[in-house]
Amino acid sequence: GQQLNQSPQSMFIQEGEDVSMNCTSSSIFNTWLWYKQDPGEGPVLLIALYKAGELTSNGRLTAQFGITRKDSFLNISASIPSDVGIYFCAGQGRNRDDKIIFGKGTRLHILP
Amino acid sequence: AAGVIQSPRHLIKEKRETATLKCYPIPRHDTVYWYQQGPGQDPQFLISFYEKMQSDKGSIPDRFSAQQFSDYHSELNMSSLELGDSALYFCASRWTGAGNTIYFGEGSWLTVV
Repeated sequence: GQQLNQSPQSMFIQEGEDVSMNCTSSSIFNTWLWYKQDPGEGPVLLIALYKAGELTSNGRLTAQFGITRKDSFLNISASIPSDVGIYFCAGQGRNRDDKIIFGKGTRLHILP
Repeated sequence: AAGVIQSPRHLIKEKRETATLKCYPIPRHDTVYWYQQGPGQDPQFLISFYEKMQSDKGSIPDRFSAQQFSDYHSELNMSSLELGDSALYFCASRWTGAGNTIYFGEGSWLTVV
């Protein structure tokens, strides 16, 4: 079945640093989504990408839908303490009722 | 704006008992998804409904069943609960007419003791 490879698994950074994470797949997706999840809470949508090559920003977050439709990256600039959490990439196929497939998540830690 | 509402937020059950989780999708959303997330795991797809009909099935145990009602709310029924069923259960909804963005509820914590 479809699988997403998300990397890195975890990151330890200093406050103020930029962060980059990515997802790759062996399958083509029509939609790439990036979610952030805080402990015990549901995933919150950060950015949705619908077209190959699309580059979208949401504040300090920027994400891109790869040209091949098999990858996406998320960048966070000038990280702050509230950025701590788990970031999931997710892909969805072309059919309207296709389920979302999640990556394994990137756990972001900010060092004091 | 209205979000996906799940209830209860927390539930504690004993082994072999039955539990029911409810999900109220965002108004006008026609598709509901259920996901299970174990500790430290990514969300795993269980089942989905489009316009009240089951549209896809994932790794949902036979002990679990779900349905979507005429008002579009959905219920996940879990019977003969096992310790391994302890997890965070998410419901998500989407309106197929507005692209592919799926919005998640805050989840229902099920603890089986």
